[in-house]
Amino acid sequence: ILNVEQSPQSLHVQEGDSTNFTCSFPSSNFYALHWYRWETAKSPEALFVMTLNGDEKKKGRISATLNTKEGYSYLYIKGSQPEDSATYLCAFYSGAGSYQLTFGKGTKLSVIP
Amino acid sequence: NAGVTQTPKFRVLKTGQSMTLLCAQDMNHEYMYWYRQDPGMGLRLIHYSVGEGTTAKGEVPDGYNVSRLKKQNFLLGLESAAPSQTSVYFCASSYSRGSEQYFGPGTRLTVT
Repeated sequence: ILNVEQSPQSLHVQEGDSTNFTCSFPSSNFYALHWYRWETAKSPEALFVMTLNGDEKKKGRISATLNTKEGYSYLYIKGSQPEDSATYLCAFYSGAGSYQLTFGKGTKLSVIP
Repeated sequence: NAGVTQTPKFRVLKTGQSMTLLCAQDMNHEYMYWYRQDPGMGLRLIHYSVGEGTTAKGEVPDGYNVSRLKKQNFLLGLESAAPSQTSVYFCASSYSRGSEQYFGPGTRLTVT
């Protein structure tokens, strides 16, 4: 079983603050790293799929970076808004003949107006 | 375009009863997955399918069976439900290996 760790487990920020979370994953047999946003009472929705070391992806105020050699990815949110409140999941896809995404437990973000 | 749908949304079962959860997708995706979500745990893969007529075990397959007779449908069966199977079940699909997964709305199952 692969180990995907996310930190922090939860955080509260004020509206307008910028924030970031970490995802760490095995540095060997890398195939892809996914980020999902999961709002309460909804289902997870994909934010980014990252496949190359050094990848940087951006969607509006949210961006992500990837370091496959050391096994980590950062998700950044600039100028947090209350609608950014959600759980952010990362998931690791191993290249070792696997068809399975291994999910971290998520970082729960609460943005206080 | 409905995406991924799941039936039913809620269900309460007694220990030992059986049921089937249905997942349907209209995106012509090859890959389909069943996950369970429990408090304090990440999404855990139960079974998956890489194409019509194929199925494979995931991380937590015990007590479940699956079938993929049609490309658009992926069924999850519980033959003899146990309280440990109380969970929220999510179905997902993807176009290819490693591509983003599209999730259904979930089924909340309680086994008493």
